[in-house]
Amino acid sequence: QKEVEQNSGPLSVPEGAIASLNCTYSDRGSQSFFWYRQYSGKSPELIMFIYSNGDKEDGRFTAQLNKASQYVSLLIRDSQPSDSATYLCAVRQDNNDMRFGAGTRLTVKP
Amino acid sequence: NAGVTQTPKFQVLKTGQSMTLQCAQDMNHNSMYWYRQDPGMGLRLIYYSASEGTTDKGEVPNGYNVSRLNKREFSLRLESAAPSQTSVYFCASSEAGQGGHTDTQYFGPGTRLTVL
Repeated sequence: QKEVEQNSGPLSVPEGAIASLNCTYSDRGSQSFFWYRQYSGKSPELIMFIYSNGDKEDGRFTAQLNKASQYVSLLIRDSQPSDSATYLCAVRQDNNDMRFGAGTRLTVKP
Repeated sequence: NAGVTQTPKFQVLKTGQSMTLQCAQDMNHNSMYWYRQDPGMGLRLIYYSASEGTTDKGEVPNGYNVSRLNKREFSLRLESAAPSQTSVYFCASSEAGQGGHTDTQYFGPGTRLTVL
């Protein structure tokens, strides 16, 4: 079992819709959770992080964390074609090591 | 601020050749990291340096060596390249090192390496 799992996609949504990206992790002691966006051929760039159960909002992005279910998600409201990218979930484990998921490819269609 | 810079951007090697990937950051960060990214595998940590003067192995260190030259610079060396090392290599840096659970890593533009 991989330590951080994401659906590889591709996930396709129409412009203006809500995109929902999911991530599960195996280390129950994990402390914090990061979402990165990676455009094709580019480096990952941080969208946001979350470390408390519940929701955290930043503009059109909302991260949701449920530690009991070992589940973290990213919602993108009013999706735009410029949101088309691969989204990486990263988890800081109990031993402080960061583990990355393989990413979910999102396509937003005009 | 340039952030995290890497050289070269692209490299093609023959099996058995050696090379060094360079990384520098101008954010006065304490920690630096080397990752490789392969299709379907996500980012995997090769080595990291929690602070100047220290280096530690990550998930996939075999075939690599690193040097933390000073606070700004962290290099990755392939002594005898193998086709299995064909990958995209990313350097990253973070402020607080291994102590802070909200410590955020910032990535360089990457080096695309092909070993024939």
